[in-house]
Amino acid sequence: NAGVTQTPKFRILKIGQSMTLQCTQDMNHNYMYWYRQDPGMGLKLIYYSVGAGITDKGEVPNGYNVSRSTTEDFPLRLELAAPSQTSVYFCASSAGHPSNQPQHFGDGTRLSIL
Amino acid sequence: AQSVTQPDIHITVSEGASLELRCNYSYGATPYLFWYVQSPGQGLQLLLKYFSGDTLVQGIKGFEAEFKRSQSSFNLRKPSVHWSDAAEYFCAVGGAGGTSYGKLTFGQGTILTVHP
Repeated sequence: NAGVTQTPKFRILKIGQSMTLQCTQDMNHNYMYWYRQDPGMGLKLIYYSVGAGITDKGEVPNGYNVSRSTTEDFPLRLELAAPSQTSVYFCASSAGHPSNQPQHFGDGTRLSIL
Repeated sequence: AQSVTQPDIHITVSEGASLELRCNYSYGATPYLFWYVQSPGQGLQLLLKYFSGDTLVQGIKGFEAEFKRSQSSFNLRKPSVHWSDAAEYFCAVGGAGGTSYGKLTFGQGTILTVHP
């Protein structure tokens, strides 16, 4: 049972490069989320989606873009990588509203911008 | 705006000792409260959740949490800690309406170290 799968697990980028963090889930969940985790800061919501074709900004969306063309996939795009985007990124999904459905997390992508 | 504070960044306990991790929240209506655990190199796993009803909530791995509205707290407890409980613990608050719809706010996390 795969759950939420994130690729890659690790990546080093140079300043100004772009990349896409992949996230896919096999639980047919409508809700999907992208968080970043910085030491001592907990998790900050970047973007979320309540279904295919619908996305919305979270707390820290600047410098990122998302799309949701299918229920399964929710990629996160960094267009011009900056050192401030060095972080651990987590994708999550839930069957419904997070107030009454648990979020299932992937194992994260560790991204370093040098 | 909703917020969560976990006052303790790092807690160390001996194996077999009791544990309490503190969580204070700010939310304008009835909150939905969660505790998640994160082992090194892993994503977060849900321990327990509170939506309504009984203020003492039981979770997995022998954990429980008590919702105290008057204190805006949702502290996590375990009567006897095992070495495998060493991890980072996150409290989170969410809501069903307004600008918080669909979003959870996480605390900064508490790192638990267990001594043998």
